[in-house]
Amino acid sequence: AQSVTQPDIHITVSEGASLELRCNYSYGATPYLFWYVQSPGQGLQLLLKYFSGDTLVQGIKGFEAEFKRSQSSFNLRKPSVHWSDAAEYFCAVSGNTGKLIFGQGTTLQVKP
Amino acid sequence: AAGVIQSPRHLIKEKRETATLKCYPIPRHDTVYWYQQGPGQDPQFLISFYEKMQSDKGSIPDRFSAQQFSDYHSELNMSSLELGDSALYFCASSPRGLGGVVNEQFFGPGTRLTVL
Repeated sequence: AQSVTQPDIHITVSEGASLELRCNYSYGATPYLFWYVQSPGQGLQLLLKYFSGDTLVQGIKGFEAEFKRSQSSFNLRKPSVHWSDAAEYFCAVSGNTGKLIFGQGTTLQVKP
Repeated sequence: AAGVIQSPRHLIKEKRETATLKCYPIPRHDTVYWYQQGPGQDPQFLISFYEKMQSDKGSIPDRFSAQQFSDYHSELNMSSLELGDSALYFCASSPRGLGGVVNEQFFGPGTRLTVL
């Protein structure tokens, strides 16, 4: 069955520190992978996506993610976190029909 | 740039009532997806349409139905509402690539449905 696991429900980092949010997926074929960010009561904004090609993808707001097929992972990274990055982050996978299967989400808190 | 429009933004209904949620995709996007996000939960896929035909179906209750119209807007109809239907309902639109290749989805702001 297709699934996405985000092992960290809640992460707290200091402003200026680096960030890595973990994502593992289970999918039979080559997946399309996404990271979305959601502020409280708001919609989902796409940070970055992986369809094919270079396994290190760059996104908006200084985020990047690396697709590692051997580990079934698509971890999100940012070298220096800003207070405005505090939000909930969802990793998602889709196949040919396009429907997104989301992970449980990781809530990021940023300490001043 | 134009975004996905959802209406209404907030809706309060009583149990057993009906509700209709509307979604207007980004111009030239021919695919629409509906998701339901319960409190503290991740979004769950309900149903999708491509060129006005249902393309995929997820965990959508039989009490719910949806369609996509000739202008590509979509409506989600919910009947016999239950307390558990209270959630944020998102619509997303996407342009299909050449040959029907899947593309990224752009999400609307959501409709918050509260069932009392």
